[in-house]
Amino acid sequence: SQQGEEDPQALSIQEGENATMNCSYKTSINNLQWYRQNSGRGLVHLILIRSNEREKHSGRLRVTLDTSKKSSSLLITASRAADTASYFCATTSGTYKYIFGTGTRLKVLA
Amino acid sequence: EPEVTQTPSHQVTQMGQEVILRCVPISNHLYFYWYRQILGQKVEFLVSFYNNEISEKSEIFDDQFSVERPDGSNFTLKIRSTKLEDSAMYFCASRLRAAVYGYTFGSGTRLTVV
Repeated sequence: SQQGEEDPQALSIQEGENATMNCSYKTSINNLQWYRQNSGRGLVHLILIRSNEREKHSGRLRVTLDTSKKSSSLLITASRAADTASYFCATTSGTYKYIFGTGTRLKVLA
Repeated sequence: EPEVTQTPSHQVTQMGQEVILRCVPISNHLYFYWYRQILGQKVEFLVSFYNNEISEKSEIFDDQFSVERPDGSNFTLKIRSTKLEDSAMYFCASRLRAAVYGYTFGSGTRLTVV
């Protein structure tokens, strides 16, 4: 099944460092999105990358997509304590639904 | 910034009772969704709704579940006879056009079945 799997499952870094999270999926996709979820809260859409795009930037976020490897990465540069959250990738192959991955729990230490 | 609003934020119900979770999507959005997240687990797709009908549903969305958009603004998820394993955070989401934009999620309803 089409399924996003993030790694690492948990990541702990110092404030100011960069954080990189990876997502792998199994089937071809139309686009891939990254979401952030603060503990016990809703999901916040961060960035969408289409299958014909290789890289996208938004502020301190950089997303890459490698469709040949069926993988994506999310880089957060110059991390802050407020970036502490879980990060999920979600993929769609063109149907109505998105499939979410298992998430990476990021902890940024001040 | 437009928001998706969900009520209540937390609901506790007895096993076997019916619950209705309510959502007000963003007014000009066309596609509506329910997802759920069991504590500590991944976000799971339940159902999508477009043009006043279900467009896709998962295997989780069995006969105990139903959705309605009764008045053009609210979007509800009903669970007819709740089970302990229905305890989860339920998220409503909406988006403007398919496969182009990201979802806007509500902040969720935490359902606890006792």
